Amino acid sequence: AQSVTQLGSHVSVSEGALVLLRCNYSSSVPPYLFWYVQYPNQGLQLLLKYTTGATLVKGINGFEAEFKKSETSFHLTKPSAHMSDAAEYFCAVTNTGGFKTIFGAGTRLFVKA
Amino acid sequence: DAGITQSPRHKVTETGTPVTLRCHQTENHRYMYWYRQDPGHGLRLIHYSYGVKDTDKGEVSDGYSVSRSKTEDFLLTLESATSSQTSVYFCAISDVDLNTEAFFGQGTRLTVV
Repeated sequence: AQSVTQLGSHVSVSEGALVLLRCNYSSSVPPYLFWYVQYPNQGLQLLLKYTTGATLVKGINGFEAEFKKSETSFHLTKPSAHMSDAAEYFCAVTNTGGFKTIFGAGTRLFVKA
Repeated sequence: DAGITQSPRHKVTETGTPVTLRCHQTENHRYMYWYRQDPGHGLRLIHYSYGVKDTDKGEVSDGYSVSRSKTEDFLLTLESATSSQTSVYFCAISDVDLNTEAFFGQGTRLTVV
């Protein structure tokens, strides 16, 4: 069975500081990994995804994530936080043999001026 | 943006009444999903469909049923609403290609009183 663990339900950073949102997964087969962002009262939007190939994945709005198989991690980073980054972020996993996506519990990012 | 429309967007209903939520897509994607979102739980899969009249249960399917009579429509029915089904419900679609992410609707906020 697959699962996703997001470390920290809330993360607070200052504007301009590094953003680091942690995600660990478990999967018995090679995973496909995703980060989604949800702004208030909206649906989820894809930030970035890893399927195969390069382990460092770049997404929209300056975010990137690195797939580390040995650590079963897919942490999301952004060098410099902006006020507009305040939102909830979800890590998700699916496997190459199926199509159902399993989501983490989410991390709410607060950005302080 | 992917063409996904959920209706209604908000609904308040009484305990014990049946409720149907509708998801309509204009993308001709084969797979459709219903998730519920609750604080601390992220998104949990209720039911999904992999084609017309082809549906299966997700991890939290008790008390819910679905139907898909056309490619573009996926209905979620709460047979007898309970307060524990107060939640935000999201419909999602994805392409047959396993590499693609899911696209989400705007959500339906359901309150059972």
